[in-house]
Amino acid sequence: EDQVTQSPEALRLQEGESSSLNCSYTVSGLRGLFWYRQDPGKGPEFLFTLYSAGEEKEKERLKATLTKKESFLHITAPKPEDSATYLCAVMKSGGSNYKLTFGKGTLLTVNP
Amino acid sequence: DVKVTQSSRYLVKRTGEKVFLECVQDMDHENMFWYRQDPGLGLRLIYFSYDVKMKEKGDIPEGYSVSREKKERFSLILESASTNQTSMYLCASSFWTSVTYEQYFGPGTRLTVT
Repeated sequence: EDQVTQSPEALRLQEGESSSLNCSYTVSGLRGLFWYRQDPGKGPEFLFTLYSAGEEKEKERLKATLTKKESFLHITAPKPEDSATYLCAVMKSGGSNYKLTFGKGTLLTVNP
Repeated sequence: DVKVTQSSRYLVKRTGEKVFLECVQDMDHENMFWYRQDPGLGLRLIYFSYDVKMKEKGDIPEGYSVSREKKERFSLILESASTNQTSMYLCASSFWTSVTYEQYFGPGTRLTVT
């Protein structure tokens, strides 16, 4: 069974304190790994898709990396507006071309 | 910008009522999805559609049905609402290019069944 595990469940940082969120996955052939940001009471906002080990993508203070077993979302010098829940999802190859399996998310709080 | 809209942000219904949730996307995407999101359970796929009039069951289709009569519109139907269907419902649409896949979500509908 496909599994996506995110850690930690919650992370509290001071403004400017860099850190990383982890997404480990068990899937029989990865077609893509997705990162989303979700603010309370809103729909998830698409951030990145990664397709192969070694790939990296950046957006402002966020950088996502991918290995064969996990992905990291690095947050450099975070600001309070980066506070949100970050969701990771995987799509496996050979299965439905559309189905994503989501992790339960990491709640990030950045204090000023 | 991709835009996915949902008919209501908040909805309160009674047990046994038939409930319609509507989703519209303006980017001509082939694929559309309905998820529900619950604390501690994360996002779970209810149904998806890869073309007009085409649908496939997701992980938790029981108690739900869907309709896609037009490419831009995907409806979720709760035939007889029950209290365990109280949840946040999220619609999404997606597209493939030769090099990328992206899935975009709407703002969500918070449904309460009393």
